[in-house]
Amino acid sequence: QSVLTQPPSVSGAPGQRVTISCTGSSSNLGAGFDVHWYQQFPRTAPKLLIYGDNNRPSGVPDRFSGSKSGTSASLAITGLQAEDEADYYCQSYDSSLSGGVFGGGTKLTVL
Amino acid sequence: EVQLVESGGGLVQPGGSLRLSCAASAFTFSDHYMDWVRQAPGKGLECVGRIRNKANSFTTEYAASVKDRFIISRDDSKKNSLYLQMNSLKIEDTAVYYCVRERIPGRWAYDIWGQGTMVTVSA
Repeated sequence: QSVLTQPPSVSGAPGQRVTISCTGSSSNLGAGFDVHWYQQFPRTAPKLLIYGDNNRPSGVPDRFSGSKSGTSASLAITGLQAEDEADYYCQSYDSSLSGGVFGGGTKLTVL
Repeated sequence: EVQLVESGGGLVQPGGSLRLSCAASAFTFSDHYMDWVRQAPGKGLECVGRIRNKANSFTTEYAASVKDRFIISRDDSKKNSLYLQMNSLKIEDTAVYYCVRERIPGRWAYDIWGQGTMVTVSA
């Protein structure tokens, strides 16, 4: 059971907008700690997609955006493309555990 | 090119030990906090632990699942390397282990990942 809760799967058609939620608690997202998002393709290392709630590293398309409110955060992907099909993970810091924590991951399927 | 390259993975029996290494290149290694993240087969990501930089006394933190069994260290002098000493290994430690760099020290966002090295704990 992950400290941060994500839906196991989401799906959308090409061109659509999808969102992936990440629900935490008062000891992580609710305490104001940053949320970060990663994209992982099969058999490859994850890649940082969003950091500090809503910032994109250089090279990440602006189709990807992040937001956070209270104990929840979301990753939005607009103009969905086939190459976006991957696993997505949220991450934050948890003060009760005194360490970094990940969500369980969400598999995005492009229909 | 900014890069992290892990080595040292392999097959080990339960109760055994293994040392992973991670060679960093093309960035100022000594400035950054460095972490290990693992991923069991077919599972999600787990933070194993971190080591802070010299400015923060090289202090370490560990996940409860590995505390008192794993030790993270670093060599900022010549080798620009990160290490993970794994002792008293359990079957549940089987995973791909990634060496990662914190983009900003203390903020946890991992902007550079190694390719990963597989550790299999099995009799």
